[in-house]
This record gives sequence, C-alpha cells and structure tokens, in this order.
Amino acid sequence: EVQLLESGGGLVQPGGSLRLSCEASGFTFSSYAMSWVRQAPGKGLEWVSGISGSDTTYNADSVKGRFTISRDKSKNTLYLQMDSLGVEDTAVYYCAKSKGVIIAYFDYWGQGTLVTVSS
Amino acid sequence: QSALTQPASVSGSPGQSITISCTGTSSDVGSYNLVSWYQQHPGKAPKLMIYEVSKRPSGVSNRFSGSKSGNTASLTISGLQAEDEADYYCCAYTGNSTPVLFGGGTKLTVL
Repeated sequence: EVQLLESGGGLVQPGGSLRLSCEASGFTFSSYAMSWVRQAPGKGLEWVSGISGSDTTYNADSVKGRFTISRDKSKNTLYLQMDSLGVEDTAVYYCAKSKGVIIAYFDYWGQGTLVTVSS
Repeated sequence: QSALTQPASVSGSPGQSITISCTGTSSDVGSYNLVSWYQQHPGKAPKLMIYEVSKRPSGVSNRFSGSKSGNTASLTISGLQAEDEADYYCCAYTGNSTPVLFGGGTKLTVL
C-alpha cells in the first residue's frame, strides 16, 4: 500500500526557513517523479516543486530561487527546503507521487502539513 | 503561466448528470493527452479521479468520465450522488519548466 507521510510544517516568521519531509513507502521511491503541491486557506491547488524520475528538479515561478526540492533515496524521503518565506507561502503542503517518471499527474497524495508564515 | 479556467461552481440534483469544463491553451490542454481530474472533500487530500483525459484509476466509479476537445477538457459525473459533493480540480501537463498547471477549482453542490 502506497503511503506518503509529510512532516515539518509549523509557524515561522516572515523571512524565515522551514524544511518539509515526506516519507514514502509501498513503492519504488527512486523510480517515480514526486512533487509538492500547496493549497492556501480557502484557495485552490498550486503545484510548487517537483523532481522527475531522473532527478531533474522544477519549481514554480512563485518559489523559484527560494524553495529547493530534493530526495534521499536511501531514506525513501522527499524534502522541500523553503527559504525567505513570506505570508503568501501560508498553505497546506501536500506531497504527491506521479504515476510515472515525469511530472504529469498525481496518483497518491499525503495528508498534508500546514505551514503558517506570520509575525 | 495562468491557471486553467474552470467554472467556480456547478450544481445538480441526485441522479442527474453534470459536466465541468477546464479551458487551457494550445500549449497545455491542447498539446498533450495528459489532463487529470481530482476530487477534494473538505479537509481531505485530493484524490485522482481521471488521468490521461479519460482513464479511470482502479476503484473510481464509472459514473466519472473525461473527455477533451481542442483546448478544453471536461469531466462528466452521471447519476449524481450526495457523496459527489466536493471540489474538483483539473490539471494539465505543459511540457515546460512548469510541468503542470491546475485549474482554479469547481465546487459541486448536489441539491
């Protein structure tokens, strides 16, 4: 059974940093593209960052230069390093698995972790 | 890049059919058969309902179907049931440095 378990969310001040983790199980983690998708309170889904099956990384324009996605294949864990956080980054962050090696659609999602940026 | 365009809300009575549209451009929806749809109940994670325009994952009811014409994709739900009331999001592959775009979401109300 595929499981994705996010952690690392919390309250952070504007300008601060946070690292999210997503522990994956039930599939060959290194073989699939993975992404972070966020949802601001009362708003829609926004794709944030992704890593392909060949470990090429991609970022949305809104987070480029501030967020870094990575994965540790030995720990089956996906990370999102978030720096220079602003209030607009407040959201639930979901870890999502792609069905294949490219970032095209997402067949499994974690339960989400809330990031609140506020002073 | 702009989000895909969906109606903010749709509604229908139990047993009826509804269709949610998702309009993109020739660079995303129109270029690839990689449109997907997600259902999200309040406080829950999204769930994949349709992928590659019209394919259903195992376990998803055949009351859900997808199609595409030009730059517009559609999700149809037939035989509406109370549990279908949720938010629905479309998503399309772009093939560029922002590989996917989501629609703004559509709130389905079952009357």
